[in-house]
Amino acid sequence: QKEVEQNSGPLSVPEGAIASLNCTYSDRGSQSFFWYRQYSGKSPELIMSIYSNGDKEDGRFTAQLNKASQYVSLLIRDSQPSDSATYLCAVISNTDKLIFGTGTRLQVFP
Amino acid sequence: GAVVSQHPSRVICKSGTSVKIECRSLDFQATTMFWYRQFPKKSLMLMATSNEGSKATYEQGVEKDKFLINHASLTLSTLTVTSAHPEDSSFYICSARDITSGSADTQYFGPGTRLTVL
Repeated sequence: QKEVEQNSGPLSVPEGAIASLNCTYSDRGSQSFFWYRQYSGKSPELIMSIYSNGDKEDGRFTAQLNKASQYVSLLIRDSQPSDSATYLCAVISNTDKLIFGTGTRLQVFP
Repeated sequence: GAVVSQHPSRVICKSGTSVKIECRSLDFQATTMFWYRQFPKKSLMLMATSNEGSKATYEQGVEKDKFLINHASLTLSTLTVTSAHPEDSSFYICSARDITSGSADTQYFGPGTRLTVL
């Protein structure tokens, strides 16, 4: 079982819709969770971090964490074509390393 | 805040040469920096953790004699790919933690260096 799992996609949503990106992790002891956005040919850019169960909102982005289910999600409201990118879920492991999922490619079409 | 730079952004070299990549934290001090490698359509894989003033910690399968890491100051870490070969062609990305920020375990990434070995 991979430490951090994501559906590779692509996830296609129309402009203005809500995009829902999901991630599961295997280390029950993980406490720190991150979502990064990566455009093609570029390095990852931090979108949000989340540490507690529940929702955390920042602008059009909402991160959701459920430690009991070992599940993290990212919602993007009012999706824009400029949101088209690969979204990487990352978790701090019990060895204090940042472990990345393989990423979900999001396509927002006009 | 929390800006990380890398230089060069792109390098093309002949097989057998060595390439040095610099990673700098511009507005904060980083006692720890990280080096990742990303192959096309794959996720980031941690190569090594660079510690200021001490030896780097390498991940399993990463040759320390091939990928030399030096972290001589609180704002600079360098990765040298020695005797590069075509299979070393990849996107190399560094990151750093700002331990003085509110979220000390957040890693901020440099823009990456694309290495092509002919």
